[in-house]
Amino acid sequence: GAGVSQSPSNKVTEKGKDVELRCDPISGHTALYWYRQSLGQGLEFLIYFQGNSAPDKSGLPSDRFSAERTGGSVSTLTIQRTQQEDSAVYLCASSPSVGAGGRDEQYFGPGTRLTVT
Amino acid sequence: DQQVKQNSPSLSVQEGRISILNCDYTNSMFDYFLWYKKYPAEGPTFLISISSIKDKNEDGRFTVFLNKSAKHLSLHIVPSQPGDSAVYFCAATTSGTYKYIFGTGTRLKVLA
Repeated sequence: GAGVSQSPSNKVTEKGKDVELRCDPISGHTALYWYRQSLGQGLEFLIYFQGNSAPDKSGLPSDRFSAERTGGSVSTLTIQRTQQEDSAVYLCASSPSVGAGGRDEQYFGPGTRLTVT
Repeated sequence: DQQVKQNSPSLSVQEGRISILNCDYTNSMFDYFLWYKKYPAEGPTFLISISSIKDKNEDGRFTVFLNKSAKHLSLHIVPSQPGDSAVYFCAATTSGTYKYIFGTGTRLKVLA
């Protein structure tokens, strides 16, 4: 079946511009995560959505970052006034639920490589 | 504060030999651990997991060992194959939460 898809796969933008990154999770998955991987770093948690609950935004690095999830499916991560330090691979993952004590494996998309010049 | 550490950024192993990837953690509340494999230009894919009530979990060529007292886990791949060449991430979480803390990854290269 279809996995998690992300678009665009690559994005080059000028410093100060806004960007939108899109994630299409696996159909039926209620949990959706955004991560960021900067060069030489691990996956940094950004935000988490579970069903219709309020998202956990505690990982967002600044108020320039925001995300929404429409209809419990597609999610968009928006970065306003991009800075060079925002350059990274942004990964989206979905999982069936937070059942089993939060031990669901996550299914990752291929990521969006963002370069801010 | 890096709660999950993979101190070896890279590892090279001869085909057919054992690959051992290590991961250390500091948070004693972690009770579930996972390993993911990542190929270039792809997202990580789940490989194997282990609960803190076990000290070993095996799946084919992959075995994960957990040493709770040392807060250390390791992934053994035997025999190693060239197709295993990838970046391996360990991750940890606490049951009932949804936050997974990932290590920085170890790049494994299996030489033919």
